[in-house]
Amino acid sequence: GAVVSQHPSRVICKSGTSVKIECRSLDFQATTMFWYRQFPKQSLMLMATSNEGSKATYEQGVEKDKFLINHASLTLSTLTVTSAHPEDSSFYICSARTGVTYNEQFFGPGTRLTVL
Amino acid sequence: EDKVVQSPLSLVVHEGDTVTLNCSYEVTNFRSLLWYKQEKKAPTFLFMLTSSGIEKKSGRLSSILDKKELFSILNITATQTGDSAVYLCSSGGSNYKLTFGKGTLLTVNP
Repeated sequence: GAVVSQHPSRVICKSGTSVKIECRSLDFQATTMFWYRQFPKQSLMLMATSNEGSKATYEQGVEKDKFLINHASLTLSTLTVTSAHPEDSSFYICSARTGVTYNEQFFGPGTRLTVL
Repeated sequence: EDKVVQSPLSLVVHEGDTVTLNCSYEVTNFRSLLWYKQEKKAPTFLFMLTSSGIEKKSGRLSSILDKKELFSILNITATQTGDSAVYLCSSGGSNYKLTFGKGTLLTVNP
């Protein structure tokens, strides 16, 4: 149980385009989903917390107009990187809370974004 | 600001060795400490610790939490090459969020 999927797993795009990444909880309803980014050899940095039906809460320094998050249902959250630039190239990972245990999060497999 | 510090940042051992990975934390309204293993892709869950002094064990891996000293260790005995990975320590407070350390890169050589 507690499986989280992400799509796509890898995307390469041109500078200036927008990219949408989907995060789905496959066998549970996620009360909260989280979006992280990870640069090479760095740890996971939380970008935003997403609750179904409400606006995402962004961490300090994360541009909400640049990284649009939509949490339309209890099993789906999307992250759209708008007008992507090479510096947005990173590994984006989502996670979800089942709500069974307080802090436990289950991670998706991640999306490798490369902006040319 | 919440903070998690892991040490060492990297470690190279031979198969069969025992390793101890360290994690210290400062978290507002601490609730739990979680260990994850990351191999190329997203982290996979290892342990969640909420109480001091109670060891959690899974095969050759074990972990313990000291809430007085704000510290946790992850032990791996009889290491194998498949244990090579980045081990991430994270702490969770009352706002559901996890703060991650930089990780320990473990390399197990045959």
